[in-house]
Amino acid sequence: DQQVKQNSPSLSVQEGRISILNCDYTNSMFDYFLWYKKYPAEGPTFLISISSIKDKNEDGRFTVFLNKSAKHLSLHIVPSQPGDSAVYFCAASGTGGSYIPTFGRGTSLIVHP
Amino acid sequence: GAGVSQSPSNKVTEKGKDVELRCDPISGHTALYWYRQSLGQGLEFLIYFQGNSAPDKSGLPSDRFSAERTGGSVSTLTIQRTQQEDSAVYLCASSLANRGTDTQYFGPGTRLTVL
Repeated sequence: DQQVKQNSPSLSVQEGRISILNCDYTNSMFDYFLWYKKYPAEGPTFLISISSIKDKNEDGRFTVFLNKSAKHLSLHIVPSQPGDSAVYFCAASGTGGSYIPTFGRGTSLIVHP
Repeated sequence: GAGVSQSPSNKVTEKGKDVELRCDPISGHTALYWYRQSLGQGLEFLIYFQGNSAPDKSGLPSDRFSAERTGGSVSTLTIQRTQQEDSAVYLCASSLANRGTDTQYFGPGTRLTVL
């Protein structure tokens, strides 16, 4: 049973537009959420995170929104650039105990020039 | 650089053979994780080491899988009697500790192909 779901396997966006990547979770014990970015033949790299005490965290062109009641988070990239083309993984953990994040299956983002 | 390194980058083996995958974490990181990513799947947790504590092996899919971490640093993931379904990218990550907000740093992975 997937506890972290990324229901869109792929997303295609025009350069300069907004990219919105979605993630849903089922475990109410999750209280820390992360997004990782992965290029081919490389390991995932940390992008941005959010604690459950917040509903928004922003870092440059990247903003993560958290809706705890809906158990939903989203990553917004504005403006999108061709270099953003990668697979984006959503991950969640419960900080009350051992921190072993649970990852979604990823969304492949393609930004067209 | 001083990132997480993994070797080999690619491994092709025959069904039934044993393989060893190596991970060198970032110096000073006490937490080390192994994941695998099968085609079209997310990152599947395998095993976790934290300092000198007993490892969390809850993600290992069968007793053919085992891992060691020597001296609190280098880790080796061993798969015995490999099967075709073991084919995947095996990723290692390390973090400073396990405080819930520590960022995981991933290596480039080892692509394992079992023929």
